[in-house]
Amino acid sequence: GNSVTQMEGPVTLSEEAFLTINCTYTATGYPSLFWYVQYPGEGLQLLLKATKADDKGSNKGFEATYRKETTSFHLEKGSVQVSDSAVYFCALSDGYSGAGSYQLTFGKGTKLSVIP
Amino acid sequence: NAGVTQTPKFRVLKTGQSMTLLCAQDMNHEYMYWYRQDPGMGLRLIHYSVGEGTTAKGEVPDGYNVSRLKKQNFLLGLESAAPSQTSVYFCASRSTGKREQYFGPGTRLTVT
Repeated sequence: GNSVTQMEGPVTLSEEAFLTINCTYTATGYPSLFWYVQYPGEGLQLLLKATKADDKGSNKGFEATYRKETTSFHLEKGSVQVSDSAVYFCALSDGYSGAGSYQLTFGKGTKLSVIP
Repeated sequence: NAGVTQTPKFRVLKTGQSMTLLCAQDMNHEYMYWYRQDPGMGLRLIHYSVGEGTTAKGEVPDGYNVSRLKKQNFLLGLESAAPSQTSVYFCASRSTGKREQYFGPGTRLTVT
């Protein structure tokens, strides 16, 4: 079956530090990959996505590249801000589970805290 | 355009009580999903629907029922609540041809 493994947190960084959150996956077929962000007390928001190998998703200074050879989709940001403090989820979607419903399979989440 | 909304935001139940969580979306999406979020577990799929009048089981369906009588609404029911169902419940939807899902703000349910 499908699975997503992301680095365990919590991660604490100083403002303007470089961020990497590792994510690797196992999937049947050719999944799409996502990063979602959850701010305290809120639902999940789509941060970025990539639909095929070598695609780079980017948004709000965050980037992730779909690496098929290493089955990875690591999230990076060059200079984090206090407002980036949140829980980040890596997820995948393919058509081989749930009769083509393209269900999302999530990692367990990584909590990021950015201190001034 | 409200996106995905969920009612209620918070609820406390006693063991054995029943309740229904309502999810509504105004994006005309075909697909809708119910997840539960527990500490250290990520999100797990409870049930989903691929269109009006259809439902299917996800990864953790036991103790829950769902209905999709209207395209814009997806209801999650707990017939006899148990403490193990204490969780945060999220609804999501997506359009045909897209794989990304859009999430509601969540319902925090406590069963005592």
